[in-house]
Amino acid sequence: GESVGLHLPTLSVQEGDNSIINCAYSNSASDYFIWYKQESGKGPQFIIDIRSNMDKRQGQRVTVLLNKTVKHLSLQIAATQPGDSAVYFCAENIGRPAQKLVFGQGTRLTINP
Amino acid sequence: DTGVSQDPRHKITKRGQNVTFRCDPISEHNRLYWYRQTLGQGPEFLTYFQNEAQLEKSRLLSDRFSAERPKGSFSTLEIQRTEQGDSAMYLCASSLAGREKETQYFGPGTRLLVL
Repeated sequence: GESVGLHLPTLSVQEGDNSIINCAYSNSASDYFIWYKQESGKGPQFIIDIRSNMDKRQGQRVTVLLNKTVKHLSLQIAATQPGDSAVYFCAENIGRPAQKLVFGQGTRLTINP
Repeated sequence: DTGVSQDPRHKITKRGQNVTFRCDPISEHNRLYWYRQTLGQGPEFLTYFQNEAQLEKSRLLSDRFSAERPKGSFSTLEIQRTEQGDSAMYLCASSLAGREKETQYFGPGTRLLVL
């Protein structure tokens, strides 16, 4: 079936440490993946994306890694800050022509001072 | 730059009433999506439009739900005869079709509570 899931529902890290949020997907035909950040009471906010022809992409303080062999996606956040506290979702872009997103349950990231 | 906007942000209604939500996408975006999100879950796809045409509907979209995008700009989502199970966050997203990567940008959502 088509599903996107997360290994850890919650993650707690110290301020300044690096965070790694993992995600598994099952649709080998998916060719586009996105990470979203969602703060309480707000809509998902785009963080970074990656196409299946890449295995790594870097943004500002964030890096997404894609391992197509094991259908695994991860989001690395460097030097986490209190403002990084949120729920993080990976989403799998499926369907043609519609770019329908399939989301996982999400990982709640908590930053400890 | 104005992102995706949704109105209202919150709606409380009694079971059996009809409700209508509005979404204004990013101005140049030709695709518009509706998702539903329940507490602790990721958003679930409901339907999407390319310009004014509704091209796909999820099986989650029962016959009590109807969505329109009459002029290819803003969209409305109506729920008739609301049920308590309809309580959720309703999210709208928009994107620009035709690019290699078609990123969907989300609005703030409308939180619906059916009593």
